Amino acid sequence: DAGVTQTPRHEVAEKGQTIILKCEPVSGHNDLFWYRQTKIQGLELLSYFRSKSLMEDGGAFKDRFKAEMLNSSFSTLKIQPTEPKDSAVYLCASSLWGAANTGQLYFGEGSKLTVL
Amino acid sequence: QQQVRQSPQSLTVWEGETAILNCSYENSAFDYFPWYQQFPGEGPALLISILSVSNKKEDGRFTIFFNKREKKLSLHIADSQPGDSATYFCAPNTDKVVFGTGTRLQVSP
Repeated sequence: DAGVTQTPRHEVAEKGQTIILKCEPVSGHNDLFWYRQTKIQGLELLSYFRSKSLMEDGGAFKDRFKAEMLNSSFSTLKIQPTEPKDSAVYLCASSLWGAANTGQLYFGEGSKLTVL
Repeated sequence: QQQVRQSPQSLTVWEGETAILNCSYENSAFDYFPWYQQFPGEGPALLISILSVSNKKEDGRFTIFFNKREKKLSLHIADSQPGDSATYFCAPNTDKVVFGTGTRLQVSP
């Protein structure tokens, strides 16, 4: 069974550029999450989709971060324009049916973004 | 994020010792408590979990102790092995998943 696939694994961007990170969830999963991981802030939720509908857009991340789920098997996270403080690992996770109430999250290996 | 606290931030134990990782939370509505294990360069993966109706869950060398009244739980790793060196996250949830700050465990041979 294929797990969660994220591309690219590494991305280097200049300040002000637009970058797009991609995620393919586990086949058949209904929930998809985007997290940002840094050593200082830990894991922060950016967006949450259920059956392709946006359930949560991460509040503080709204202005330059936009996640979309074009179909049940593909999601993108666009950061526009990038800033050096966006340097982090971006993790995508999926869940069969509700991460809450005993649903397990399956994570991808992450996309490491460095903004110069 | 601030709803879930983990301690210590980092922990070093010798091979064969028991590592104890702690987690405390504020939201009384949390009813499912998974622990995730993350190795460098990888995403977190579910290690073991407990429901709030239980006070103990064992899976091999890994045991969760849960105190609902005090809103605390701990993960005990018995007979720690170098391969257990990783970061561990407590991630309680109800309708949302909240990750704790993590504990970085180093097991020295």
